[in-house]
Amino acid sequence: QSVLTQPPSVSAAPGQKVTISCSGGSSYTGNNYIFWYQHLPGTAPKLLIYDNDKRPSGIPDRFSGSRSGTSATLGITGLQTGDEADYYCGTWDGDLSVWVFGGGTKLTVL
Amino acid sequence: EVRLVESGGVVVQPGGSLRLSCAASGFIFNDYAMHWVRQAPGKGLEWLSLITWDGRSTYSADSVKGRFTISRDNSKRSVYLQMNSLRPEDTAFYYCAKDRGAAAGFDYWGQGTLVTVSP
Repeated sequence: QSVLTQPPSVSAAPGQKVTISCSGGSSYTGNNYIFWYQHLPGTAPKLLIYDNDKRPSGIPDRFSGSRSGTSATLGITGLQTGDEADYYCGTWDGDLSVWVFGGGTKLTVL
Repeated sequence: EVRLVESGGVVVQPGGSLRLSCAASGFIFNDYAMHWVRQAPGKGLEWLSLITWDGRSTYSADSVKGRFTISRDNSKRSVYLQMNSLRPEDTAFYYCAKDRGAAAGFDYWGQGTLVTVSP
């Protein structure tokens, strides 16, 4: 079974930097691109990072993605209160032909 | 501007059926795969199903395989989710999402529609 593991919560003060990890199982190789989504309850989730480290147009460079082996990291610098949301990593598992989400990480900006 | 609008969410009894719809605009609909994703109360995002641009191939999560069916009508720029044998644990917000290509990740999502399965 495909699993992506994220910490349940992270927190930091406004203006600071935070990182959110996403760890895959042994089935994940460099061929599995990681995506990151921001979700505010009651709204449409938003794509932040695609293909491990690329930002869609309109996403500020405060958001960054990186990948190393079977793990990925979302970084957010210059934290703002508006960044408080749930963040999800995800990937397509080509072997099982399913999309897999991490469990989500709740970001609190103190 | 890409826009996805889900509809069809209601309160339904356990064992019942429901069809959700998602109307798309702002992009060439029949160039892209589409997905359904849900979020149950207090839970994370759960991917449900994918349908390719031409509707010829579909993929589903084990949790809904055999009960939920994704389909699309490119002439109506719409994707659907037929849900049968509904269970209380299917209570969730249901989102449709546009793929970046074919199983290449979602780039746009709708606002969601709420399905409540309750006696």
